[in-house]
Amino acid sequence: ETVMTQSPATLSVSPGERATLSCRASQSVSSNLAWYQQKPGQVPRLLIYGASTRATDIPARFSGSGSGTEFTLTISSLKPEDFAAYYCQQSYSIPITFGQGTRLEIK
Amino acid sequence: EEQLLESGGALVQPGGSLRLSCAASGFTFSNYAMTWVRQAPGKGLEWVSGISGDGDNLYYADSVKGRFTISRDNSKNTMFLQMNSLRAEDTAVYYCARWKGGSTAAAGLPADWFDPWGQGTLVTVPS
Repeated sequence: ETVMTQSPATLSVSPGERATLSCRASQSVSSNLAWYQQKPGQVPRLLIYGASTRATDIPARFSGSGSGTEFTLTISSLKPEDFAAYYCQQSYSIPITFGQGTRLEIK
Repeated sequence: EEQLLESGGALVQPGGSLRLSCAASGFTFSNYAMTWVRQAPGKGLEWVSGISGDGDNLYYADSVKGRFTISRDNSKNTMFLQMNSLRAEDTAVYYCARWKGGSTAAAGLPADWFDPWGQGTLVTVPS
């Protein structure tokens, strides 16, 4: 099983600042890596797929990078609606696995 | 609009069974693989099971293998999850999602990312 490890568990950032979230895979997942955003009480929403492609209607302030085992989600200038939980997910091998999540909170 | 709607969640005693349904609309259901993901209260996301568009290929997490069965009826645009021998640790909101991205999928897998997701249905198994 490919273990996905996200860091940090909680990230405190002020609105308008940049946030950088990390995701590490225990073995290579090529570029089969997606990022999801989940706000409290809401359904997960796809942000990024293929490690770096923004999903439909996702603002340009969200960007993804990386391949192999190291991945990053960057939010360039945080808006109030961006404070949420973020999960990475690998779909390179079965079982598909998610990271434990990073909670992005307002500083 | 592409939509998914889960149903069938309930309170069930340990060892009991439950069948979840996921009704799809707004897209050609048979063209896509589908998947189930669950989220225990206050916890993260856990992949449960997936199925190819034609229903021939089934995929399971080890935690549910042998207890859960995924299936689909393309004539009714509906996917199912039959859950048997339920345990307290199966308590979660169960989401269905379209499993998308066939051309980018890794070898041996039908698809890549999950989008869209349904609203979820709650399954509660008391300890």
